[in-house]
Formats: sequence, structure tokens, C-alpha cells
Amino acid sequence: GGIITQTPKFLIGQEGQKLTLKCQQNFNHDTMYWYRQDSGKGLRLIYYSITENDLQKGDLSEGYDASREKKSSFSLTVTSAQKNEMAVFLCASSLSGGSAETLYFGSGTRLTVL
Amino acid sequence: GDSVTQTEGQVALSEEDFLTIHCNYSASGYPALFWYVQYPGEGPQFLFRASRDKEKGSSRGFEATYDKGTTSFHLRKASVQESDSAVYYCALGETNAYKVIFGKGTHLHVLP
Repeated sequence: GGIITQTPKFLIGQEGQKLTLKCQQNFNHDTMYWYRQDSGKGLRLIYYSITENDLQKGDLSEGYDASREKKSSFSLTVTSAQKNEMAVFLCASSLSGGSAETLYFGSGTRLTVL
Repeated sequence: GDSVTQTEGQVALSEEDFLTIHCNYSASGYPALFWYVQYPGEGPQFLFRASRDKEKGSSRGFEATYDKGTTSFHLRKASVQESDSAVYYCALGETNAYKVIFGKGTHLHVLP
């Protein structure tokens, strides 16, 4: 078995601040994903990466950057935090990224912007 | 683009009730269809999938049948327990792609 570790679990930022969220997986999976979860809106894809150094934009990429410098890690940067923003950011991985594969999720980073 | 619609935002049942959560999709071809479950403080967990018409997926007493004719993948369970209280997500894997699209989720509350 494996695990996905997201850090930090809770992140509090100020309006306009650049914030970075980190994700590590030890499944040795090729593909990693960042989703944003908002109450009543489900999970929306921000970025994904099918291999080291690859980046693909999802439906919600504006306002975010991502980085995949190692196979095991995938980071997400909120380029300018929006006031009163609250959301959970979920990292996931899959073996080789075919869309029929199982996604394995971390437990999330909860963002609050003051 | 492809999409997933879950009709119910919240469902409240008593223990031993029958559960149905409706999921309809819009996509070309034969996308893989999934159900995931999320408990408080955790990330979603894979429940099961189906990849072709009339295929039934099942796990832990939950089941759903891929129906291309009605573009549906409704989640059912014959007798729910309090421990089934969670958020359930229907999802679709785009054909020949990497993206998995999720519905908005259904919050199931099972009362003892």
C-alpha cells in the first residue's frame, strides 16, 4: 500500500499573499492531480501532471501555478489569495493516468484567507 | 464538454432504508464511471467503477449499473447503516484522456 501526504493540513493566508501547498506520494504513481473542493460544487480539477516535469491545466487553473520536479511530489501555488476564500485542496495520484484508473487522494489542505 | 450531474445534494434516511442516489452523465464514447465516498476529514475513497454498458460495479453492499441508454450510473444500497453517512461522488473518466470529472456530491445522513 501507499499514502499521499499533503502539507500543511491547515493554511491561513492574507489577501494577495502567494501560498504553496505540497503533496508527496509513495505509490510510485506516474500521474498526480490537484483538485479544489468547495461546498456544493464538488471537486474541480486545477492541474495535473502525467510524469515528472509535465504540467497540464485543468478547468480551474487561473490563479494557480503548479510544479512537478520529482515523480513523488507535486506542489500547487495560489498566486494571489482572494479575501474570504475558503476551500479544501485535494491532491491525488493514479498509476499511469488513464482516466479509467482509480484515483488515490490525500486528506486535503484547508485554506482560509483573511 | 463532458459532465456529471447528481440530482440530490442531501439525502436523509433511517437505518435499514433503501438508498438511491441519482447520477447522470454527458459524454461521448464509453467513459469509465466511478463512485467515490468521502468521510469527514478524509479525502475521497474509490468505491467501485464500471467501464461498459450494462456492467455492474459493487462494493460494501453498494452497487450501480452502467446504462448508456439513459446515460446513468445510479448508486443503490438495499439497507443503509449509520456508518454509511458520508458524501458520495459520481465521477466520469474522459474517453482517451487523463481527466476525471466529478459531480457535486451527495451528502448522505443516516439516522439511527
